[in-house]
Amino acid sequence: DIQMTQSPSSLSASVGDRVTITCQASQDISNYLNWYQQKPGKAPKLLIYDASNLETGVPSRFSGSGSGTDFTFTISSLQPEDIATYYCQQYDNLMYTFGQGTKLEIK
Amino acid sequence: EVQLVQSGAEVKKPGESLKISCKGSGYSFTSYWIGWVRQMPGKGLEWMGIIYPGDSDTRYSPSFQGQVTISADKSISTAYLQWSSLKASDTAMYYCASPKNDAFDIWGQGTMVTVSS
Repeated sequence: DIQMTQSPSSLSASVGDRVTITCQASQDISNYLNWYQQKPGKAPKLLIYDASNLETGVPSRFSGSGSGTDFTFTISSLQPEDIATYYCQQYDNLMYTFGQGTKLEIK
Repeated sequence: EVQLVQSGAEVKKPGESLKISCKGSGYSFTSYWIGWVRQMPGKGLEWMGIIYPGDSDTRYSPSFQGQVTISADKSISTAYLQWSSLKASDTAMYYCASPKNDAFDIWGQGTMVTVSS
């Protein structure tokens, strides 16, 4: 199995801050890395697919980068509505794994 | 509109069986995989398995192999997740989701399963 290590597990930031979350795969996954946002009581929402592609309708303050084993998710200017838990997810030959999640709070 | 609609919340006793459903609409149900994701209370997302309704090809996470059964009935555009003998540790929210290539872009609303004596 490919394991995903996501950090940090929680993060407190101020409105307007730049926020970065990282995800590391236990082996090379090329660019098969996706990022989701989940708000309390809601289903997850896809934000970034294939490491760096913004899903349709997602604000441009969200971005992703990386390839191979190391990936980064960035919110360029944190907004109050971005308070949520964020997950990375890898894909390898019809097997999927989620990272442990990062709970983002407003300072 | 492409959507996945899941069956309602369930409350069951340990040892009981259960089958929950996920109905697809607005797209060709037989042409896209549908996966299941578990979220235990206050915890993260866990991928359980995935099925291709066109030919019922099914893959399971090693963590869930033998613990659940995933199936689909393409005649009614519905995928299923079932347990033969529930445990208290099966208490969780269960989501179905359909991937666009490698990313789950369409999600059901979730089905809460509570197992308690």
